[in-house]
Amino acid sequence: SQKIEQNSEALNIQEGKTATLTCNYTNYSPAYLQWYRQDPGRGPVFLLLIRENEKEKRKERLKVTFDTTLKQSLFHITASQPADSATYLCALEDDRGSTLGRLYFGRGTQLTVWP
Amino acid sequence: NAGVMQNPRHLVRRRGQEARLRCSPMKGHSHVYWYRQLPEEGLKFMVYLQKENIIDESGMPKERFSAEFPKEGPSILRIQQVVRGDSAAYFCASSPPSRIGPYGYTFGSGTRLTVV
Repeated sequence: SQKIEQNSEALNIQEGKTATLTCNYTNYSPAYLQWYRQDPGRGPVFLLLIRENEKEKRKERLKVTFDTTLKQSLFHITASQPADSATYLCALEDDRGSTLGRLYFGRGTQLTVWP
Repeated sequence: NAGVMQNPRHLVRRRGQEARLRCSPMKGHSHVYWYRQLPEEGLKFMVYLQKENIIDESGMPKERFSAEFPKEGPSILRIQQVVRGDSAAYFCASSPPSRIGPYGYTFGSGTRLTVV
């Protein structure tokens, strides 16, 4: 069966440290992998997208890696801040014509950054 | 430049009533996607619509649920004869008409439906 697993439902780290979140998938062939942030009572907010032929993507303090052999993506937040506390969602998109636009989401990892 | 607008933010319905959820896409966007987030679960795709056309409804329950995106006005997700299990947050996302390269989707703040 198809699965998207985000390891660690909750992750607590100290301010200034690097947070690393994991997304593993089974029985998908994603063309793109995306990461979103979701705050309580709000909709997901897009952060980063990485293609299947890219190894790494960076945006300010954020970095995403994508290993299609391991079927895994890692999401890093460097120099973390309390304001980074939120739930982070991994989402796959299959670019095979008929399923374009359909995102498959993991259940998310709740990150708490304490001062 | 307003984002994706969803209303109402909160909706309470009694079992057996109808729920209507509205979504206005971002300006210039003609594709709309609906997702459902059940408590303690991830977001699940429901339906993908273009103006006056359903592209993919593979995630919609076969009964009681329907969606439309008319030529004028917002997209509507309609749930007839609601049951307690329909209680969830419903999110809408939109995208532009031409998909040139991959990009992230813009989501609304959602409608939280509670069935009592």
